Amino acid sequence: DTEVTQTPKHLVMGMTNKKSLKCEQHMGHRAMYWYKQKAKKPPELMFVYSYEKLSINESVPSRFSPECPNSSLLNLHLHALQPEDSALYLCASSQDSGGYGYTFGSGTRLTVV
Amino acid sequence: AQSVTQLGSHVSVSEGALVLLRCNYSSSVPPYLFWYVQYPNQGLQLLLKYTTGATLVKGINGFEAEFKKSETSFHLTKPSAHMSDAAEYFCAVSMNSGYSTLTFGKGTMLLVSP
Repeated sequence: DTEVTQTPKHLVMGMTNKKSLKCEQHMGHRAMYWYKQKAKKPPELMFVYSYEKLSINESVPSRFSPECPNSSLLNLHLHALQPEDSALYLCASSQDSGGYGYTFGSGTRLTVV
Repeated sequence: AQSVTQLGSHVSVSEGALVLLRCNYSSSVPPYLFWYVQYPNQGLQLLLKYTTGATLVKGINGFEAEFKKSETSFHLTKPSAHMSDAAEYFCAVSMNSGYSTLTFGKGTMLLVSP
């Protein structure tokens, strides 16, 4: 299995809702990432988990809450989002945190209304 | 610190013509270099990567790139463009060190006309 699977593919949520994005990989990778991508822009790093511990938080607002239940799963919990948070959210994994060979999922298209 | 500059936010070619997408990087240590492609409403797909060894790297879909340390470049080429190559292309760099994350360029949209 050489894929990163993200669910759901599309999500529409209100500003008072709570929702979660899920990411799963079975490649034995020990580093996992959340990126945010706005239209016509490159992906921006949000969080890095290395060996199931949060190692980087790029000053992301607390309405985004990451969770890594085990080495194969990565969640992003969403609460009280704003319309400007609408974007493509990409999950990625890599063998370790050494910057070598990221594999990306197909993303979750989030719309906040 | 590391950074990537992609020259040209849009590149237009005719079908069958040479594709050249330019990427220059800055890195304080030996870099890992990547090219990703993104089709509309999809994730990023790895085209090719340079880590160590041979400086001419061949990737999927007929693309290749050459790492030129003296020019700090990693340009992407394809001899003959196909309509299906139309997409956004991102060059990215990470550092060949114990801990690093991926830094992307701003992307180049490749347009292919018949």
